[in-house]
Amino acid sequence: GENVEQHPSTLSVQEGDSAVIKCTYSDSASNYFPWYKQELGKGPQLIIDIRSNVGEKKDQRIAVTLNKTAKHFSLHITETQPEDSAVYFCAASKPAEYGNKLVFGAGTILRVKS
Amino acid sequence: KAGVTQTPRYLIKTRGQQVTLSCSPISGHRSVSWYQQTPGQGLQFLFEYFSETQRNKGNFPGRFSGRQFSNSRSEMNVSTLELGDSALYLCASSLQGNSYNEQFFGPGTRLTVL
Repeated sequence: GENVEQHPSTLSVQEGDSAVIKCTYSDSASNYFPWYKQELGKGPQLIIDIRSNVGEKKDQRIAVTLNKTAKHFSLHITETQPEDSAVYFCAASKPAEYGNKLVFGAGTILRVKS
Repeated sequence: KAGVTQTPRYLIKTRGQQVTLSCSPISGHRSVSWYQQTPGQGLQFLFEYFSETQRNKGNFPGRFSGRQFSNSRSEMNVSTLELGDSALYLCASSLQGNSYNEQFFGPGTRLTVL
């Protein structure tokens, strides 16, 4: 079945530095790739997503890139701030006719040191 | 718009009991998905309901079941609880358009089985 691998499992950066989290998916039918941020005691919050017909998407300090050929996608956070500290999950999903099923990576604990 | 709401937020049960969790999706959203989150297995898909029909199911035993009502609210039930069922149960709602599967999560129900 579909599998999503996520690296690294933990990431510590200095405030103001950039952070990059990488994911690889296995099912070439996947066409939607969201990123979620989860803070302690809360549910995952959608922060950015990308569809398979787009190679890159940016929203202020966060950006996501997608390489369909290599089945890789990455989250880039620039100018990190302490409030960016959280667990980040990547996920992959197939077209709507397959039903709504997100397959998640294992998560990355991001720590931003001030 | 109000977000996804889940009740109760916390629940303690003993082995062998059953439990029912409730989810109210974002107004206008017709798809509700359930996920189990544990430290060991991460975020795993349980099932999805759309227009009162289960459209997709993950690899969980038959003790896990759900349903969706005509107002799109959903419930999931776990019978004969086991210690390993202790987890954060997350509900996500989606508008279910034709082009992508944006899913928004609720805060979750923390289930502890003693």
